[in-house]
Amino acid sequence: AQTVTQSQPEMSVQEAETVTLSCTYDTSESDYYLFWYKQPPSRQMILVIRQEAYKQQNATENRFSVNFQKAAKSFSLKISDSQLGDAAMYFCAYRSLQDLYGTASKLTFGTGTRLQVTL
Amino acid sequence: DSGVTQTPKHLITATGQRVTLRCSPRSGDLSVYWYQQSLDQGLQFLIQYYNGEERAKGNILERFSAQQFPDLHSELNLSSLELGDSALYFCASSAGTTLTDTQYFGPGTRLTVL
Repeated sequence: AQTVTQSQPEMSVQEAETVTLSCTYDTSESDYYLFWYKQPPSRQMILVIRQEAYKQQNATENRFSVNFQKAAKSFSLKISDSQLGDAAMYFCAYRSLQDLYGTASKLTFGTGTRLQVTL
Repeated sequence: DSGVTQTPKHLITATGQRVTLRCSPRSGDLSVYWYQQSLDQGLQFLIQYYNGEERAKGNILERFSAQQFPDLHSELNLSSLELGDSALYFCASSAGTTLTDTQYFGPGTRLTVL
């Protein structure tokens, strides 16, 4: 079974600065997907960024980028020019390519990192 | 707004009772997933349906059951409720058939068992 580990329960960053959230995972699969979801105080789960394991290029979405190290099974999220609205819980998640039926399978989540953004 | 709707938003009930949580997926999505978020267990996958059929089961208790109806909405039934069932229950949906499938989450139902 796959596991996802987020070793930083809490992180803090000043507004306009850059912060990196860590995530490691364990899997025996060669192809899979990795995600970062944001959960603000409203509790809504919002997709931030996605990375396909077969792509060597790191995914980028505006101020959000990842550092994907497949051999090390590491998937960190970098937030540049941090804003107050970035304050939230961030969850790293793993998904297998597909299940036995050929349909998309479940997400396995880490325990989350709470990000505080200070003035 | 993800396009996934969940009702009710909040539910307060007593131990031993039974409740039903409802989820409507995004238009066109065939897969529905249920997740439970609690303080001690984190975010855990419960069960998945695809086009009306159960596809995968996670850490779902025998007291819990779910189904997906022909119109693709899904219901999660929780019975003989215990204090420890208090949690935020999320439904997510996805197209379910593409390799680049992404799950979009509903706003959740917060269940409080007293």
